[in-house]
Amino acid sequence: QQQVKQSPQSLIVQKGGISIINCAYENTAFDYFPWYQQFPGKGPALLIAIRPDVSEKKEGRFTISFNKSAKQFSLHIMDSQPGDSATYFCAASRNAGKSTFGDGTTLTVKP
Amino acid sequence: DAGITQSPRHKVTETGTPVTLRCHQTENHRYMYWYRQDPGHGLRLIHYSYGVKDTDKGEVSDGYSVSRSKTEDFLLTLESATSSQTSVYFCAISGGPGDEQFFGPGTRLTVL
Repeated sequence: QQQVKQSPQSLIVQKGGISIINCAYENTAFDYFPWYQQFPGKGPALLIAIRPDVSEKKEGRFTISFNKSAKQFSLHIMDSQPGDSATYFCAASRNAGKSTFGDGTTLTVKP
Repeated sequence: DAGITQSPRHKVTETGTPVTLRCHQTENHRYMYWYRQDPGHGLRLIHYSYGVKDTDKGEVSDGYSVSRSKTEDFLLTLESATSSQTSVYFCAISGGPGDEQFFGPGTRLTVL
């Protein structure tokens, strides 16, 4: 049973465009929803995170939109740049600390 | 990488041999995690620790054991490696439950 489903598996966007990655979760006990960015040969690094008491969080060009009733959250990357090309993982965790990750989205931003 | 090192970084071993991977942190974080990353499967939690000698299983713990005798070190052992355990293994740390996790550089393990 996959508790966090991520889509799409891969995404190609033109420079300056908007990249949108979606995740859906099943466990309503989850209370922390981070997005991680991973470059080839590196470990994942936290990009932005949200807790369910807010519906949106923005940090620079990166925005998380959270829909608690639909049990969905998404990452929006505005003005996408070639340097944003990476694999993005959504995750969900509850207070116990264990995180469940989505399968990842490989983003390619074409110049 | 937030004061996290993993050793070795690369290892090739044969089926049936024991393998131990080490994660070392200098951040004094309480929580430590071991994940494996495989194409199409994202990151899957193997085991985690919430303090010295306190560990718990993750979603893919079969065939793996862990030990944490010091705050700074978390060891992952494959008692008898199998080809299905060929993967990239990441260690992560966090200060508390639900906090940001900081990942190490990874260990690429190949079991022939």
